[in-house]
Amino acid sequence: SQKIEQNSEALNIQEGKTATLTCNYTNYSPAYLQWYRQDPGRGPVFLLLIRENEKEKRKERLKVTFDTTLKQSLFHITASQPADSATYLCALEATTDSWGKFQFGAGTQVVVTP
Amino acid sequence: SQTIHQWPATLVQPVGSPLSLECTVEGTSNPNLYWYRQAAGRGLQLLFYSVGIGQISSEVPQNLSASRPQDRQFILSSKKLLLSDSGFYLCAWTDRASGRSYEQYFGPGTRLTVT
Repeated sequence: SQKIEQNSEALNIQEGKTATLTCNYTNYSPAYLQWYRQDPGRGPVFLLLIRENEKEKRKERLKVTFDTTLKQSLFHITASQPADSATYLCALEATTDSWGKFQFGAGTQVVVTP
Repeated sequence: SQTIHQWPATLVQPVGSPLSLECTVEGTSNPNLYWYRQAAGRGLQLLFYSVGIGQISSEVPQNLSASRPQDRQFILSSKKLLLSDSGFYLCAWTDRASGRSYEQYFGPGTRLTVT
C-alpha cells in the first residue's frame, strides 16, 4: 500500500540556521507533492507545490526538492526564525485521477529557538 | 476572495449521540470538498470527498457519513458517536478550475471530544 513517512521527532534548531525536513514515500508515483504548515489547533496552510518534472522550487526562504528516483522530497527553511515554529506536512497526489486526491504524512514539528 | 467556514469550533458529545458538522465555502463555485480527521499527534486522514452536489466518496469504512446538499455546503454526520470518533475535523476545498495544482484550502476545524 502507499505510504508516506516524515520524521516523527521534533526538529529543534537555532534561529538563523537552516531546517531540513524529509518526506519519503513508497509504492507511489505521484505527479505532485505539496508542503503545508500547521499551527496548533489550526488547519494546515498550503506552502509549496512541486511537480514530478521539477527538481527544485523556491518561495522566499523556503526551498523544496523532489527526487522521484529516491522517492523523496526535502523541505528547507533557510535563515529560520522563531515564527517558523510549527508542524510541516507533506502531501502526495494519491492517484492519477483528475480531481485531486492527496494523502498526507504525519508531519514534523519544527521548533526554532532564539 | 474565498472563505471557508466550519462550525462548531468545539464540541463535546456523549457516546451514542448524533453528530452534525457543517462546512461552507464562499467566493467560489463547483469546488471539490473534503472532510479530514486528525487524531492527536497524527496526520490527516481523508474521510470523504465530493466533486459535486450529491456526489460523495467514502475513504474509510466507519459510522460517519457525509452529504453535499448544495454546491458549497458539506456536512459530516453520525447517528451514534463512538469514543474513537474524537479528533480534529477539518474541511477543505480545492478549485478544479486551477488545473492540476489542487492547492487545498482548509477551514479552521472542529475539535470533537466524545465522552
